[in-house]
Amino acid sequence: AQKVTQAQTEISVVEKEDVTLDCVYETRDTTYYLFWYKQPPSGELVFLIRRNSFDEQNEISGRYSWNFQKSTSSFNFTITASQVVDSAVYFCALSEAEGAQKLVFGQGTRLTINP
Amino acid sequence: EAQVTQNPRYLITVTGKKLTVTCSQNMNHEYMSWYRQDPGLGLRQIYYSMNVEVTDKGDVPEGYKVSRKEKRNFPLILESPSPNQTSLYFCASSTPPSGRYSEQYFGPGTRLTVT
Repeated sequence: AQKVTQAQTEISVVEKEDVTLDCVYETRDTTYYLFWYKQPPSGELVFLIRRNSFDEQNEISGRYSWNFQKSTSSFNFTITASQVVDSAVYFCALSEAEGAQKLVFGQGTRLTINP
Repeated sequence: EAQVTQNPRYLITVTGKKLTVTCSQNMNHEYMSWYRQDPGLGLRQIYYSMNVEVTDKGDVPEGYKVSRKEKRNFPLILESPSPNQTSLYFCASSTPPSGRYSEQYFGPGTRLTVT
């Protein structure tokens, strides 16, 4: 069975600090997809990134970066120089390559950036 | 504009009063899903549909019904709501998998409170 674990329930940092959100996943599939979503206080789900299991290249997008390591089944997300607007709940998710396209979500990490 | 719409966005109801949450997508997607979000549990799939008249249970189907009479619509029905169904509900749609990932589009969410 697929499973995603976000061990950090809540993180609170001061603005401009760097922060890393951890994500560990379990799957027996050899082909799968990993995601990060942001849920701001308004409640909608904002897609941040998708990675397939064959692409372990790390990605950087502005202040955001993602570290995908198959050897440790992890897909961690780092925000550099955090800002108050980064405050949100962040979800890591896993999807199988075929089938019903079900997303298996982690429990979420609530990130609070204090001014 | 490609989108998934849900109605209502907010609903407060009483135990046992049947309700329907509508979901509609304008992207001609075959796949549609319903998820519920609860604190500490992330999002969990309730039901999914791979096409018109084809539906199946997700991880937490108890107390819910769905129907897929038209491709664009996938209503979620609570025949006899109970307080443990108080949650934030998301509808999602996507195209069928074809060896590549099919983008998932999420609706804005419906916050349901059952008293």
